[in-house]
Amino acid sequence: DAGVIQSPRHEVTEMGQEVTLRCKPISGHNSLFWYRQTMMRGLELLIYFNNNVPIDDSGMPEDRFSAKMPNASFSTLKIQPSEPRDSAVYFCASITTDPHYYNEQFFGPGTRLTVL
Amino acid sequence: QQQVKQSPQSLIVQKGGISIINCAYENTAFDYFPWYQQFPGKGPALLIAIRPDVSEKKEGRFTISFNKSAKQFSLHIMDSQPGDSATYFCAAAEERELSSGSARQLTFGSGTQLTVLP
Repeated sequence: DAGVIQSPRHEVTEMGQEVTLRCKPISGHNSLFWYRQTMMRGLELLIYFNNNVPIDDSGMPEDRFSAKMPNASFSTLKIQPSEPRDSAVYFCASITTDPHYYNEQFFGPGTRLTVL
Repeated sequence: QQQVKQSPQSLIVQKGGISIINCAYENTAFDYFPWYQQFPGKGPALLIAIRPDVSEKKEGRFTISFNKSAKQFSLHIMDSQPGDSATYFCAAAEERELSSGSARQLTFGSGTQLTVLP
């Protein structure tokens, strides 16, 4: 398996533009997590899905952020409009119900977002 | 609310030395305590983990010590090497029962940037 796939790896955009980050979880994993990492705030959980259903979005900073998971193999995180303070590395992670790996979250390589 | 507190924020150790990173938690519902290692430009990856029914787990040069009564756990890296230089995150997991089924959620500490000098 290729692991968790994220695209793009780097995104530079101007303030006010819409940004869409994409994630493909590991096949067979049933939970998907979106995190944001910054120097100031560390690793923050934004939202997570269980069986494609959003479970907890209390970490989503504001209404400018939205996430969807239309099927088990694809999720998006959208920021509209983007602001300079959204600049961060965004990670997607997935987890399986396989008891052997039940607790391990597998992270993607991240998307480094820069909003000018 | 910071449910998992991690210290120190940064750590510099000489090659061959012992690196120690500490974490504390409050939520007694946590039932699994992993440590993640992150290299620059990469996502975090599971390093070692422990369940609260044991006090210590060792894998090679990496050891987790767990004190359930004090609600504290720590990572010890023996014979630290320059290749261990990375950011280390402690975490704690809990099971959440939901209408869509059960879900596992991790709460991460703030991270420790470890530098091992050659």
